[in-house]
Order: sequence, then structure tokens, then C-alpha cells
Amino acid sequence: EVQLVESGGGLVQPGRSLRLSCTGSGFTFGDYGINWVRQAPGKGLEWVSLIRSKVSGGTTEYAASVKGRFTISRDDSQNIAYLQMNSLKTEDTAVYYCTRKNYRGNYFGYWGQGVLVTVSS
Amino acid sequence: DIQMTQSPSTLSASVGDRVTITCRASQNIHSWLAWYQQKPGKAPKLLMYKASSLESGVPSRFSGSGSGTEFTLTISSLQPDDFATYYCQQYNNYEATFGQGTKVEIK
Repeated sequence: EVQLVESGGGLVQPGRSLRLSCTGSGFTFGDYGINWVRQAPGKGLEWVSLIRSKVSGGTTEYAASVKGRFTISRDDSQNIAYLQMNSLKTEDTAVYYCTRKNYRGNYFGYWGQGVLVTVSS
Repeated sequence: DIQMTQSPSTLSASVGDRVTITCRASQNIHSWLAWYQQKPGKAPKLLMYKASSLESGVPSRFSGSGSGTEFTLTISSLQPDDFATYYCQQYNNYEATFGQGTKVEIK
């Protein structure tokens, strides 16, 4: 069974950093791109970042709202993807989901349960 | 950037009703569109991909159509389990843009 489990969320002050982890199981983690998608309280879904599989170049992409502040990475030996979030703003407060990219396109058949990040003083 | 606009934002319907949600893209996305269902406190669930392909395990009362810039999700006979929020998402490029969501509520 494919599973994605996020961890690392919590309460953080504006301007500080936090690192989220996404651990995958039930599939060959290194064969798939991994995305982060977030959802602010009571709001819709916002794509945040993508890291492609090594076979696809391992390249990364970011939404304009987080570019230069967030960094996505992966450790396929540990089946983990990371989202390093620096210079956090109150508007980054959201539930962050990791998702598995489908072979046929960047849509998401598998999601983690989500982890809450609250940025507040 | 590709913008996705859903309508309506909220839809009130009864069990057994036929329900249609529309999603419009700001530019041609061919058939690179997915639909999701989300219930409160849960992760979204994939319903459709490539505009009209039903994800495995999703009931056949769900169907999708469209191409280019206009798409629809139809629920042929609304069931109690279908009251939820629905999102469209384009994947014409890596930047997976979502619509703002349509909440289907009990009339």
C-alpha cells in the first residue's frame, strides 16, 4: 500500500525556519517526483514545490510565493523528501501535504495526511 | 501563469440530483485536467484525470468532460457521501494550479 507521511510541523515565529519531512513507503520512492501542496485555514489548495525523480533529472520547481525562501530536496536512500522553509511569513500558515507525482503528469493520486505549520508571534 | 476558475463556488443540492461543476482555464491546457474531492480535515482524493478518465475505485456516477479551456465534472445522482468540496487542477505544466473549489452542500 502506498503511504506518504509528513512530519516536522508546528508553531514558529515569523522570520524563523522549519523543515518538513515526507516519508514514503509501499512504492519505489526514487522512481517518482514528489510535490508539496498547502492549504491555508479555510482556503483552497496551493501547489508549492516539485522535485523530479533522479531519472528525470532531479530538478526542482517552486511557486512564485515561496521561491528563494523554500528549498525542496530528497534522500532516496531513506525514502524521504524535505521542504526547508526559511524566512517564514504569517501567510505561510497552512496544512502542508506531500503528494506523489503521477507518471503521466503532475497530478496526485497519493497524498499524505498533512502537517500543520503555524507562523505566528 | 495558468489561472483556473471554478463555478459555482457553492452549490446546494439534494440526494439524487444531477450536479455539474464547471472549471475554466485561462489558456489552452488540452486535456491535462484533474478533479479532486475533499472532505473536512482530510486530504483531497483524486476522482478524474486527463479530463475524462475515471480514477480506479471511483464510482461511475462521476464523469468529466471538456478540453482546451472549459471543463465539467458531473455527478449523475448525488449520494450522501458526495457532499464535499471539489477542486479542479491543471497539469499542462509543472505548476499544478488549482481552482478555488466548489462546495456541494445539502439543500
